[in-house]
Amino acid sequence: AQSVAQPEDQVNVAEGNPLTVKCTYSVSGNPYLFWYVQYPNRGLQFLLKYITGDNLVKGSYGFEAEFNKSQTSFHLKKPSALVSDSALYFCAVRDGSNTGKLIFGQGTTLQVKP
Amino acid sequence: GAGVSQSPSNKVTEKGKDVELRCDPISGHTALYWYRQRLGQGLEFLIYFQGNSAPDKSGLPSDRFSAERTGESVSTLTIQRTQQEDSAVYLCASSLGGPEKLFFGSGTQLSVL
Repeated sequence: AQSVAQPEDQVNVAEGNPLTVKCTYSVSGNPYLFWYVQYPNRGLQFLLKYITGDNLVKGSYGFEAEFNKSQTSFHLKKPSALVSDSALYFCAVRDGSNTGKLIFGQGTTLQVKP
Repeated sequence: GAGVSQSPSNKVTEKGKDVELRCDPISGHTALYWYRQRLGQGLEFLIYFQGNSAPDKSGLPSDRFSAERTGESVSTLTIQRTQQEDSAVYLCASSLGGPEKLFFGSGTQLSVL
């Protein structure tokens, strides 16, 4: 069965500093990996995805994520955090070998302080 | 409309009553998901429809929960004999299927008194 883990409930960073939000996954086949963001009182929005190819994928709002097959990880990163990046971030995975469901992690709250 | 539409946006019901939640996906999207999000928690997978294939119901928490989808259009999630622990935001999402991204609705906030 597929699963995804976000080991940190909350990440705190200062504005202008780099940020990392961690995600690890487990699937039986090749993974399709996603990051979504949920801003306060707003719906979930897609940030980026990894399907195949370059291990470093770039997405919306300056975010990027690195796929690491040996560590089964897909950490979300941004070189310089903004206060407006404060939100709830979800990692998600589906097994690319079939038409299976998309499973989400428990979410990580990112707090960027001025 | 251009996005995923859910109704009602809010539903307050009494324990033991049945409720029906509706989702209108984006036209042409073959995949449709239902998730539950309890306050301050993550997204809990409930059910997944993909085209005309049999739905994946593995996330439904009990036999009080059921969902239907007619073709590639509207879906309804029904909760029978609601309990207080059913209180949550119920999110619907649709996509073109495969590796494509999900588009989420604004959700239905269900409160069971």
